[in-house]
Amino acid sequence: QITLTQQAESLWISPGERVSITCRASQSLLYTDGKHYLSWYQQRPGQTTKALIYHASVRTDGVPTRFIGSGSGTEFTLSIEHVQPEDFAIYYCLQTLKSPLTFGSGTKLEIK
Amino acid sequence: QVTLKESGPGILQPSQTLSLTCTFSGFSLSTYGMGVGWIRQPSGKGLEWLANIWWDDDKYYNPSLKNRLTISKDTSNNQAFLKITNVDTADTATYYCARIYLGALFDYWGQGVMVTVSS
Repeated sequence: QITLTQQAESLWISPGERVSITCRASQSLLYTDGKHYLSWYQQRPGQTTKALIYHASVRTDGVPTRFIGSGSGTEFTLSIEHVQPEDFAIYYCLQTLKSPLTFGSGTKLEIK
Repeated sequence: QVTLKESGPGILQPSQTLSLTCTFSGFSLSTYGMGVGWIRQPSGKGLEWLANIWWDDDKYYNPSLKNRLTISKDTSNNQAFLKITNVDTADTATYYCARIYLGALFDYWGQGVMVTVSS
């Protein structure tokens, strides 16, 4: 199975700063259609889990432009520019290229 | 508007069968390309994918649960189901269902249902 590694368990930043969360896959997530099957999710207490990014870099409807997905092959990054108070949450990456689908272990964004 | 809601027994005993229902609206599981997945999360821990079912009744399971899983759907009533046999305390978790979009992501999630396995 494909393993996704999110090395940072927690990141401490101040509101207004820029932060990058990385996700490394044990094999390439590029499919023959030219797309990467890597998506990002946000979990906040009391809220439904929110999909932010799919195909590595496409924002889902309504996601603010400060959320930027990038990367290719096995290395992917979720960047958040000018972090807002509501962005302090846990972020997970997910690969949907091959079954079993696998999630990263999560990165918690905490207020410095 | 797409919504999903999970329901389940709340608490059950080891060795019993866990039956979960996902009731959704805003889409149909008979539509080409549509799918629903189940994911779980023990308290304070990460997310684990369990199973997917597709519009054509194709099914995929997480092999780590060793044939304990059965996913099914009722297209007429906009529901998807998951059964987990022979539960034990390690199955205590919040269980989520989510819609699969383009085969690429879970774009809408339910609020989750907490399940506790305890004797």
